[in-house]
Amino acid sequence: SQTIHQWPATLVQPVGSPLSLECTVEGTSNPNLYWYRQAAGRGLQLLFYSVGIGQISSEVPQNLSASRPQDRQFILSSKKLLLSDSGFYLCAWSTGQGVAKNIQYFGAGTRLSVL
Amino acid sequence: QQPVQSPQAVILREGEDAVINCSSSKALYSVHWYRQKHGEAPVFLMILLKGGEQKGHEKISASFNEKKQQSSLYLTASQLSYSGTYFCGTVFSNTGKLIFGQGTTLQVKP
Repeated sequence: SQTIHQWPATLVQPVGSPLSLECTVEGTSNPNLYWYRQAAGRGLQLLFYSVGIGQISSEVPQNLSASRPQDRQFILSSKKLLLSDSGFYLCAWSTGQGVAKNIQYFGAGTRLSVL
Repeated sequence: QQPVQSPQAVILREGEDAVINCSSSKALYSVHWYRQKHGEAPVFLMILLKGGEQKGHEKISASFNEKKQQSSLYLTASQLSYSGTYFCGTVFSNTGKLIFGQGTTLQVKP
């Protein structure tokens, strides 16, 4: 069966510090991968998605970036965090194939507080 | 392009029914429903493809009206475990990505 791992679960970082969040998927190959941010009490904002290694689409201009160095690994980064980067970051995957191609399965999330 | 959900919040007693609506201004290819409990990740409930089908998951079912470009989620005989925030996600084309609504918070009280 497929599983998705996301870490760390909680992170407190000072303004201006770098960020690296990692997500890995097991039990499937060539998944579509996604990074979302959810502000407190708000909806899911798609940040990046990837359909293959090295292929990244950015949805929202910001000081974040994403990379996919391996088939089942997706990394969210920032060189300098802003206060507004605080939120709940979720990684998700989908098969990208068939009628269920867009069904997304989420990781447990990382709660980021920028102080 | 974000779908609009209504109502924004619902409070129920156990055993009562609720309907959550999801509307789009653009033609839809499919609609997804997810539930997120407080502090947790969203969990997939069901997908509805264009064709007006209705699907069910325990006592939760949903419909998809292509002409009206909307979907409705029906929760019958609600249980405490149904509490959470429900999101609809819409896909506008066969190759399109999922765009989530703003969410509807459901609270079921004993």
